[in-house]
Amino acid sequence: GIQVEQSPPDLILQEGANSTLRCNFSDSVNNLQWFHQNPWGQLINLFYIPSGTKQNGRLSATTVATERYSLLYISSSQTTDSGVYFCAVERKYSSNTGKLIFGQGTTLQVKP
Amino acid sequence: EPEVTQTPSHQVTQMGQEVILRCVPISNHLYFYWYRQILGQKVEFLVSFYNNEISEKSEIFDDQFSVERPDGSNFTLKIRSTKLEDSAMYFCASSEMAVYNEQFFGPGTRLTVL
Repeated sequence: GIQVEQSPPDLILQEGANSTLRCNFSDSVNNLQWFHQNPWGQLINLFYIPSGTKQNGRLSATTVATERYSLLYISSSQTTDSGVYFCAVERKYSSNTGKLIFGQGTTLQVKP
Repeated sequence: EPEVTQTPSHQVTQMGQEVILRCVPISNHLYFYWYRQILGQKVEFLVSFYNNEISEKSEIFDDQFSVERPDGSNFTLKIRSTKLEDSAMYFCASSEMAVYNEQFFGPGTRLTVL
């Protein structure tokens, strides 16, 4: 099956700093989504981005599908950005059932 | 903004008991999913469901699990005889289409099996 690797596994930032989270995947994808898991365990949709670049406030994401990676940028980080960030993909030419495969996540801690 | 809802938010049960986790997907969505996350681990796919049929299930989704769309709005996951290792957060998700389509996740049900 498709492999999804996220880096770094852990990241500690000072409030106001910028960061880049990476997601590598081993095969072509139909779907790629970024999620933020908050301290209550909820998965918050950040981006649906199988290719291209999107921005939403202080967050932006870029997926280079031909090179099989995606980047999530967080600028001017805030303590509320803390949590786990997951990348999830659906492999292309799979059963087309929508099955998402998640990476292991990046745990971000933003210190005041 | 439409959202996926799940009930209950937290369920505690005794080993061997049956539990039913409930989800209300977004109303115009046709594809439904269950995922689970054991504490401290990544999110894992359990099952996808379309047109009142399972379209794909994982190795985790064995005979003790079943899914149902009992009416036009609810989507349920039943675990017949719970085990300690079923303790996890269970997420329901839905999408309009299966491919090239964003999946929207509910807030999750935390299941604790004692």
